[in-house]
Amino acid sequence: DADVTQTPRNRITKTGKRIMLECSQTKGHDRMYWYRQDPGLGLRLIYYSFDVKDINKGEISDGYSVSRQAQAKFSLSLESAIPNQTALYFCATSDFSGGQNTGELFFGEGSRLTVL
Amino acid sequence: KQEVTQIPAALSVPEGENLVLNCSFTDSAIYNLQWFRQDPGKGLTSLLLIQSSQREQTSGRLNASLDKSSGRSTLYIAASQPGDSATYLCAGSGAGSYQLTFGKGTKLSVIP
Repeated sequence: DADVTQTPRNRITKTGKRIMLECSQTKGHDRMYWYRQDPGLGLRLIYYSFDVKDINKGEISDGYSVSRQAQAKFSLSLESAIPNQTALYFCATSDFSGGQNTGELFFGEGSRLTVL
Repeated sequence: KQEVTQIPAALSVPEGENLVLNCSFTDSAIYNLQWFRQDPGKGLTSLLLIQSSQREQTSGRLNASLDKSSGRSTLYIAASQPGDSATYLCAGSGAGSYQLTFGKGTKLSVIP
């Protein structure tokens, strides 16, 4: 089984619908992240969380919200999906290596979202 | 704002060739650098991590180095194989930053 599991792997939805992408991990890491990947733009950070009580906005948080339900679970929500949120979404985790760095990141397999 | 450039954007080589992929950061104060591999439609697999006190890391046929004075990193792949065909991404974070900034990747094709 994968250490970082994302569900669903593929989702097609319509404009205005609420969508939740879920991520669970068995690595025991404290830190979790949500990224989106778009062709030509690379990966961009949406939100990150250092523990259950700590949520931080990333580079492109507008239109998204997150919930850290437990150390192992981090979900991403699109309250009212729009077509330009069509992308490949990745969850990632990292351990706490101390100091001012991110530690090594481990990624899930991705969730492909299409908003019509 | 940190920006990451990866050169070349695409590379095609015959099997067995040694090759170098390049990554450069606009802000050379890189604290942490990581190289990833991404297969089509798949997630990112961590290849090598260079932490703040390090300049180089090796794993099998892969070697990554980081020149902190110039903000440049190279990924060296020895004796390339068709199974190495993938997109390779570098990502770095600066001191005091918990966010990795990613390059757009180099798409590598190794021809049998």
